[in-house]
Amino acid sequence: AQSVTQLDSQVPVFEEAPVELRCNYSSSVSVYLFWYVQYPNQGLQLLLKYLSGSTLVKGINGFEAEFNKSQTSFHLRKPSVHISDTAEYFCAVSVSYQKVTFGTGTKLQVIP
Amino acid sequence: DTEVTQTPKHLVMGMTNKKSLKCEQHMGHRAMYWYKQKAKKPPELMFVYSYEKLSINESVPSRFSPECPNSSLLNLHLHALQPEDSALYLCASRSEYVHRNTEAFFGQGTRLTVV
Repeated sequence: AQSVTQLDSQVPVFEEAPVELRCNYSSSVSVYLFWYVQYPNQGLQLLLKYLSGSTLVKGINGFEAEFNKSQTSFHLRKPSVHISDTAEYFCAVSVSYQKVTFGTGTKLQVIP
Repeated sequence: DTEVTQTPKHLVMGMTNKKSLKCEQHMGHRAMYWYKQKAKKPPELMFVYSYEKLSINESVPSRFSPECPNSSLLNLHLHALQPEDSALYLCASRSEYVHRNTEAFFGQGTRLTVV
């Protein structure tokens, strides 16, 4: 079975500062990894995904993530955040198309 | 078209009511999902449909009854719900081909309140 751990439930950061949201996964087989963002009272929007190939993945809104197999991590980064980035961020893992397992989420609070 | 459309956006129902949530996608995806999301929690998988057949039921109470009438539509029939069933219900679809477009596309959700 696969699982995802997001260690930080909340991350406050000042506007224009860099941010890293941490995600660690556990699986006995190869996985597909995703980061989703959820704005209040909305559905989930895909930020980026790792399927295979290059371990540095670039996504929308200036976000990127690095897949590290040895550390079983898939941390999300942005060099300079904006107020509009305030949202809940979910890391997710999948080993087949049937199931996507989500982490508990990290609330990113951008401070003006 | 990369949209998953859910209706209604908001629903208030009594514990004796029967209602249905609807979900539609036109991306040709043959895997469709229902998730339940409580406040400040991650989405929890309820049901998975694969090729219009129920493939996963995560021990969901029978007061929730899914239906997949065709490859584009997914319904969730609700009956005799409890106040603790109040949540955001999310529908998602995904390609059944593991190596192609493997992210799940989510709808905007239905905010359900049971009174």
